[in-house]
Amino acid sequence: DAKTTQPNSMESNEEEPVHLPCNHSTISGTDYIHWYRQLPSQGPEYVIHGLTSNVNNRMASLAIAEDRKSSTLILHRATLRDAAVYYCILRVFNTDKLIFGTGTRLQVFP
Amino acid sequence: NAGVTQTPKFRILKIGQSMTLQCTQDMNHNYMYWYRQDPGMGLKLIYYSVGAGITDKGEVPNGYNVSRSTTEDFPLRLELAAPSQTSVYFCASTLFRGTDTQYFGPGTRLTVL
Repeated sequence: DAKTTQPNSMESNEEEPVHLPCNHSTISGTDYIHWYRQLPSQGPEYVIHGLTSNVNNRMASLAIAEDRKSSTLILHRATLRDAAVYYCILRVFNTDKLIFGTGTRLQVFP
Repeated sequence: NAGVTQTPKFRILKIGQSMTLQCTQDMNHNYMYWYRQDPGMGLKLIYYSVGAGITDKGEVPNGYNVSRSTTEDFPLRLELAAPSQTSVYFCASTLFRGTDTQYFGPGTRLTVL
């Protein structure tokens, strides 16, 4: 299975944009890129996903490199409630596997 | 909708004991999953089910059993608890296979002593 690589931790100040990087150099053509986040003592929560094109939703934006070997999750204005572990996950189309890495712990300071 | 619910929230077991972790979803989802999360790590898939009566192994199935007699319920059974099974267990569900979102329950924290 293709794997993802993320920094262990990142920091941000409140109301600043945050760019969370993810490398997935072994991604295959049918792998979707998913992002989930896990707030303290909670189950993971879906954030966004994409295949080739950049994606936006109410929570975040996902920028995917042209060669698809990397992607970036963008939180446009970080809030204290965004402090969480963010997982970049590859999901093979039409399978049931979400392969979690160790994620990036985001700290947000007031 | 309550979403995905799990019981119990916490449990301490002695080595060799058995227990069942309960998972229920009220979203009429076909697909259900069990994950475990060890401290500081990401989630690992234990078992999954694509519908009532159908289950399959994930990455780390040893020491666990599952059943799926209804669409709503997907219990996880530990027969002979071992310290290596100390973990937080998450149940999840999704409507369709593929790119759809998985909805996670709040988790069960299990300690085996």
